[in-house]
Amino acid sequence: GQQVMQIPQYQHVQEGEDFTTYCNSSTTLSNIQWYKQRPGGHPVFLIQLVKSGEVKKQKRLTFQFGEAKKNSSLHITATQTTDVGTYFCAGLGGSNYKLTFGKGTLLTVNP
Amino acid sequence: DTEVTQTPKHLVMGMTNKKSLKCEQHMGHRAMYWYKQKAKKPPELMFVYSYEKLSINESVPSRFSPECPNSSLLNLHLHALQPEDSALYLCASSQWDRGYNTQYFGPGTRLTVL
Repeated sequence: GQQVMQIPQYQHVQEGEDFTTYCNSSTTLSNIQWYKQRPGGHPVFLIQLVKSGEVKKQKRLTFQFGEAKKNSSLHITATQTTDVGTYFCAGLGGSNYKLTFGKGTLLTVNP
Repeated sequence: DTEVTQTPKHLVMGMTNKKSLKCEQHMGHRAMYWYKQKAKKPPELMFVYSYEKLSINESVPSRFSPECPNSSLLNLHLHALQPEDSALYLCASSQWDRGYNTQYFGPGTRLTVL
């Protein structure tokens, strides 16, 4: 079945440093979605990427979808303590309902 | 409004109890989902309802029984659970739109089985 690998599993940074998490799918995706889950919270939708090579920005967050629609990345510039949480990518493949989640990257930020 | 609500927020139950989790959305979404999330793990899909009909059951044990009374409501009936079923149970919904299936999650019910 479809698998989505996400690295790194953990990342600890000093406030102000940059952060990147990467996802790689075993199959071509129709789209990829990114979620953030704060400690004790629930996944909150951040963005959806649909087109090959797509790049989207939300303030300090930059999301990319690979040309082959099999990989994606999330980059945060100049992290802040409010960025703390687990970032999940989730790919939509052959089924239009079933999101396959990566294992997530837990980001901690030292003030 | 992209809000999905879930009740209760917390639930403690014994292995012989019967309880229900409730989920509601008023976004006109026609697909609704139940996920189970263990600590430090990603959400795992349990069930999908599309237009109020069960379309996906990810081989979930029969002690979990989903129900979709109408397009806005989704229930998960629990009976004879095991301690390993303790987890965060998340409901999500999406507008059925082929290829653009953004899922919005509720805050979850944190379930403890004693």
